[in-house]
Amino acid sequence: GQQVMQIPQYQHVQEGEDFTTYCNSSTTLSNIQWYKQRPGGHPVFLIQLVKSGEVKKQKRLTFQFGEAKKNSSLHITATQTTDVGTYFCAIGAGSYQLTFGKGTKLSVIP
Amino acid sequence: EAGVVQSPRYKIIEKKQPVAFWCNPISGHNTLYWYRQNLGQGPELLIRYENEEAVDDSQLPKDRFSAERLKGVDSTLKIQPAELGDSAVYLCASSSWTSGDHEQYFGPGTRLTVT
Repeated sequence: GQQVMQIPQYQHVQEGEDFTTYCNSSTTLSNIQWYKQRPGGHPVFLIQLVKSGEVKKQKRLTFQFGEAKKNSSLHITATQTTDVGTYFCAIGAGSYQLTFGKGTKLSVIP
Repeated sequence: EAGVVQSPRYKIIEKKQPVAFWCNPISGHNTLYWYRQNLGQGPELLIRYENEEAVDDSQLPKDRFSAERLKGVDSTLKIQPAELGDSAVYLCASSSWTSGDHEQYFGPGTRLTVT
């Protein structure tokens, strides 16, 4: 099946600093989704990217899909303590089947 | 709108015992997923249903795991007999063909501990 590598595995930032997590695949992707899982919680959908070079923004979050559709990034500007959690990318093989990365666990130091 | 409901939330059993998890997806969602999430890992798909049909169960350990989705609504995942390595969080998710982003809605999960 499809493989996806997500880096870094952990990230500790001071509140107010920026944060970026990257998702890389060796194959061209049809789509990629991003999820956030709070400690003790369940994954919650953030966004889906479909088009080559697509950029989407949600307040302080910026999502990018690479031109070759093999990689993606999630960037958070000026992190807040509410951003704490694990961020997963999930690559699509068709619209209904996802392979999740291992996630990037974000800690924000107040 | 009610979310995905799962029960029980926690289960502790001894190895070799059977266990069952129940999921009620969001009303109208025809696609239902069962995932297993080990500590520090992402969710791993076990089985996917389109209505009552299992369309992808390639990752389901069929020697001990079974699942059903009678009438295409609720679903049950069973493990018999459980092994120590089955300790994990079992997540159920659902999605709808009519949702433009095909996002998956996850339930709170069942945390299984096998001793």
